[in-house]
Amino acid sequence: QKEVEQNSGPLSVPEGAIASLNCTYSDRGSQSFFWYRQYSGKSPELIMFIYSNGDKEDGRFTAQLNKASQYVSLLIRDSQPSDSATYLCAFQAGTALIFGKGTTLSVSS
Amino acid sequence: SQTIHQWPATLVQPVGSPLSLECTVEGTSNPNLYWYRQAAGRGLQLLFYSVGIGQISSEVPQNLSASRPQDRQFILSSKKLLLSDSGFYLCAWSSSRGTEAFFGQGTRLTVV
Repeated sequence: QKEVEQNSGPLSVPEGAIASLNCTYSDRGSQSFFWYRQYSGKSPELIMFIYSNGDKEDGRFTAQLNKASQYVSLLIRDSQPSDSATYLCAFQAGTALIFGKGTTLSVSS
Repeated sequence: SQTIHQWPATLVQPVGSPLSLECTVEGTSNPNLYWYRQAAGRGLQLLFYSVGIGQISSEVPQNLSASRPQDRQFILSSKKLLLSDSGFYLCAWSSSRGTEAFFGQGTRLTVV
């Protein structure tokens, strides 16, 4: 069974802090990993994808991948109240994406 | 640019009634198409995916079915809804290379 594990949270951080979201996956052969953000009642939207070990930065977001440990994380710098949402980690298994249950992030002003 | 349309946005149906949800994609050809369901407190569950017209793969046995009558059209159906079919149904597409997926706005289905 191909799975993604995420801490459901909620993860609470003050405005301006760094939020760290973590994810582990079961499929050692997976090559592609994704982070989606989902606001309450809305559909998920893609934030970042990462294929190679190491870090990938995009604005305030940094994705980190460690294939040996089967671990992927998302760092959000200078967190804003508008970042409050559920963050879904996903990996590609064959043709489809397998998602975790998501971590709820709450940023307080 | 590519867009994905999914309708209706909300739906309330009685137990035992049929279901038909439709999804269309514009601005791309030969996309991979997906149906996911998100139940309350649960993650995104992959229901069906399709890599081409008439090609449907089912991930979870249940009373739902999917069809792809045209390249950019994906339909989710049921002959008789169960209470457990309630949830947030999401259609998504990816390129034929099968990388990142993009979601429609979703249909919130309540079976009563």
